[in-house]
Amino acid sequence: DGGITQSPKYLFRKEGQNVTLSCEQNLNHDAMYWYRQDPGQGLRLIYYSQIVNDFQKGDIAEGYSVSREKKESFPLTVTSAQKNPTAFYLCASRVAGAQETQYFGPGTRLLVL
Amino acid sequence: GESVGLHLPTLSVQEGDNSIINCAYSNSASDYFIWYKQESGKGPQFIIDIRSNMDKRQGQRVTVLLNKTVKHLSLQIAATQPGDSAVYFCAEKTDSWGKLQFGAGTQVVVTP
Repeated sequence: DGGITQSPKYLFRKEGQNVTLSCEQNLNHDAMYWYRQDPGQGLRLIYYSQIVNDFQKGDIAEGYSVSREKKESFPLTVTSAQKNPTAFYLCASRVAGAQETQYFGPGTRLLVL
Repeated sequence: GESVGLHLPTLSVQEGDNSIINCAYSNSASDYFIWYKQESGKGPQFIIDIRSNMDKRQGQRVTVLLNKTVKHLSLQIAATQPGDSAVYFCAEKTDSWGKLQFGAGTQVVVTP
């Protein structure tokens, strides 16, 4: 069963706590992306990675960190420096090169206690 | 900065009618555009895409039209069904790394 998985589906964060959102894909895609979605709004790019061990900041990277140690995995850490982390987080991936389509996972909803 | 935007935040359509969702873009250098459908609490689902060297592309019950002269993109859904109720996003590719810039979305509500 191929696709993109994100876990957990819901995540609760306490003040001052770092939390990590998981994103895994078995599509053999080269590029992976993290987006944040706030209610009634579009998606905003946090970080993206074109290849293993390399990643770039997106439009709203402050307060977030990522790693890309394996091709199939691109975890996102929401640090305590992110003062407004409540949002729906979406991971996407695509084959590099001429294929432009990004495919999305089911998302993780992060809530602050 | 340049951005992608939608004309209508909410579109109410009667079941069986055709839907037209509009999108304006401002980056004339964008060469790829894509439409996604997002149901409540789920990730966006790819619908259809189009490159800038095309004016029209058809899929199953959906058609995307691209007018580069006025920088306008539209998604047409034929014979709209209750399962088409969702938020629809357009996005444009803004650089060679494949970054997508998303619009705010249009809520489509299908009424019986």
